[in-house]
Amino acid sequence: AQSVSQHNHHVILSEAASLELGCNYSYGGTVNLFWYVQYPGQHLQLLLKYFSGDPLVKGIKGFEAEFIKSKFSFNLRKPSVQWSDTAEYFCAVNAGNSGYALNFGKGTSLLVTP
Amino acid sequence: DSGVTQTPKHLITATGQRVTLRCSPRSGDLSVYWYQQSLDQGLQFLIQYYNGEERAKGNILERFSAQQFPDLHSELNLSSLELGDSALYFCASSVDPGQGIRNTIYFGEGSWLTVV
Repeated sequence: AQSVSQHNHHVILSEAASLELGCNYSYGGTVNLFWYVQYPGQHLQLLLKYFSGDPLVKGIKGFEAEFIKSKFSFNLRKPSVQWSDTAEYFCAVNAGNSGYALNFGKGTSLLVTP
Repeated sequence: DSGVTQTPKHLITATGQRVTLRCSPRSGDLSVYWYQQSLDQGLQFLIQYYNGEERAKGNILERFSAQQFPDLHSELNLSSLELGDSALYFCASSVDPGQGIRNTIYFGEGSWLTVV
């Protein structure tokens, strides 16, 4: 079955540490890839998205993600996290033949400590 | 504020009952999506409407139904509720599928449903 896996369910980092959150998917064919963030008590917000072209995608708030087709991965990175990055992060995949539905991973909860 | 409005924010109801969740999309958005977020299943796509017509269907139970009205607001109807239906139900909207998935999808803050 098609799926999206986020390997880390809970991550705790100190401020200024580097972040990498893993995301793997099992879809074949064309995919569109997304990272969403949900700050405490707020709605899901789009961090970045990849459709085609340069596999290194830059998003808002200093986040970036790299699409590695051979590894079916779309990992999220940030060189130096801040306390305000504490949130839930969701990877989502749209398979090219599935209309506009997004299939989400189960999320990674990130806690950044001062 | 994403511009997507959902009501009610919280709802507690008994098993076997029926509830309706309401969503107002962002101004100008023609597409509405419904997602269910639960602890065990995560975020799951339920259904999408575009300009009043059903566009895509995901893991939506037969006990659930949705519609989009001429003013573009949408309602998700959940009936014969079970304990396992307790979840956060998100509505999302996007402007126009003309560019397909490349349109950003904006999410509301969700409606918390607790079935007791």
